[in-house]
Amino acid sequence: DAGITQSPRHKVTETGTPVTLRCHQTENHRYMYWYRQDPGHGLRLIHYSYGVKDTDKGEVSDGYSVSRSKTEDFLLTLESATSSQTSVYFCAISEFRGSGKNIQYFGAGTRLSVL
Amino acid sequence: TQLLEQSPQFLSIQEGENLTVYCNSSSVFSSLQWYRQEPGEGPVLLVTVVTGGEVKKLKRLTFQFGDARKDSSLHITAAQPGDTGLYLCAGPLIIQGAQKLVFGQGTRLTINP
Repeated sequence: DAGITQSPRHKVTETGTPVTLRCHQTENHRYMYWYRQDPGHGLRLIHYSYGVKDTDKGEVSDGYSVSRSKTEDFLLTLESATSSQTSVYFCAISEFRGSGKNIQYFGAGTRLSVL
Repeated sequence: TQLLEQSPQFLSIQEGENLTVYCNSSSVFSSLQWYRQEPGEGPVLLVTVVTGGEVKKLKRLTFQFGDARKDSSLHITAAQPGDTGLYLCAGPLIIQGAQKLVFGQGTRLTINP
């Protein structure tokens, strides 16, 4: 257990409203990631962070922003939610165990429905 | 375009049967990982394979890394209902100095009693 907590676990919102998802870790990991999971697509990277205030885009970043003001917290914001952002969102941290081994530990996920 | 292609995407078999899931790429990876995900939870790491040709066993699960380090397979012997879940392969990438993990689409496995 890498001490990753996601909140909320479930959320229903309306199109056009802003939504913020929170990821909290307790073990001081440098790298944190936000993914979305949709049928047939596996896990797709939205944004990631490699340190406080250091973030970058993943492959599906349009419509999302992130912030990391403290090591332990990584926030994902949907600026104006759309129905295409209905998905399950996972936060992850990385543990590096030698050359080529980027092991990720995941939170339990947030199920978001945009109506 | 998926960097890692898993097949099959869905597999439903009877308890006691054997099965193999494949993870293929045209790219070379320094290692490949297999995760398992149960409903309502995040993926959990099962194994990492690092050396080309490596075989790792986890009870009834056998993982193999291809000689060229472009593919991997997961073989389950005498499948049980408890093996039901989503199996994901993943490979590490370093892009512009940043550490990332790329995932296959997943194989949804159902073992029927």
